[in-house]
Amino acid sequence: VMTQTPPSLSVTPGQPASISCKSSQSLLYSDGKTYLSWYLQKSGQPPQLLIYEVSNRFAGVPDRFSGSGSGTDFTLKISRVEAEDVGIYYCMQNVGLPLTFGGGTKVEIK
Amino acid sequence: EVQLVESGGGLVQPGGTLRISCAASGFSFSNYWMYWVRQAPGQGPVWVSRITPDGSDTRYADSVTGRFTISRDNAKNTLYLQMHSLRADDTAIYYCLRLAPVPSWGQGTLVTVSS
Repeated sequence: VMTQTPPSLSVTPGQPASISCKSSQSLLYSDGKTYLSWYLQKSGQPPQLLIYEVSNRFAGVPDRFSGSGSGTDFTLKISRVEAEDVGIYYCMQNVGLPLTFGGGTKVEIK
Repeated sequence: EVQLVESGGGLVQPGGTLRISCAASGFSFSNYWMYWVRQAPGQGPVWVSRITPDGSDTRYADSVTGRFTISRDNAKNTLYLQMHSLRADDTAIYYCLRLAPVPSWGQGTLVTVSS
């Protein structure tokens, strides 16, 4: 089970934001990698990858997005929220089946 | 560049059958485990099924076991999901995924089960 908090965030542009994702089991695999990724889903679009393996920023993702954590506790941080960052953020684990997702965090701009 | 393009979605009556496809390009399809994930309207994504590179091992979510079949044609670089006995709660956008080394999602195909 992936527990994601908070369920929603209202952020002033230029201010930071942080989303937590806690897993009921360790996401560290036997190969030494931790299979936790973060996605942003904008309205009417598929989820877009932001971060994979906890802290690897996907190509083209702005460096204001960062991921951290280990084991069962993970965090996505946005250093300075911009208007284009609105949408629903999901964490996902793929250390094993079933793949599971956090419940989502809806980010809006104040 | 990895590309995953789903197709075959549409409107189907309860109890009906549908097969959706995912055309893969930009990578050696036959080397990768592949997945289907679905997202019902207004809900979060949910895992549906997984298949190994050679197709010899498949796994399913409890909600679709016995009704859905995942398969692949490595010669055609295509992933399939055959869906039988469709129910209203199968209505969703269906995405195909490759998860390693970097997660990639398709754009999805909408399946609507309604009379």
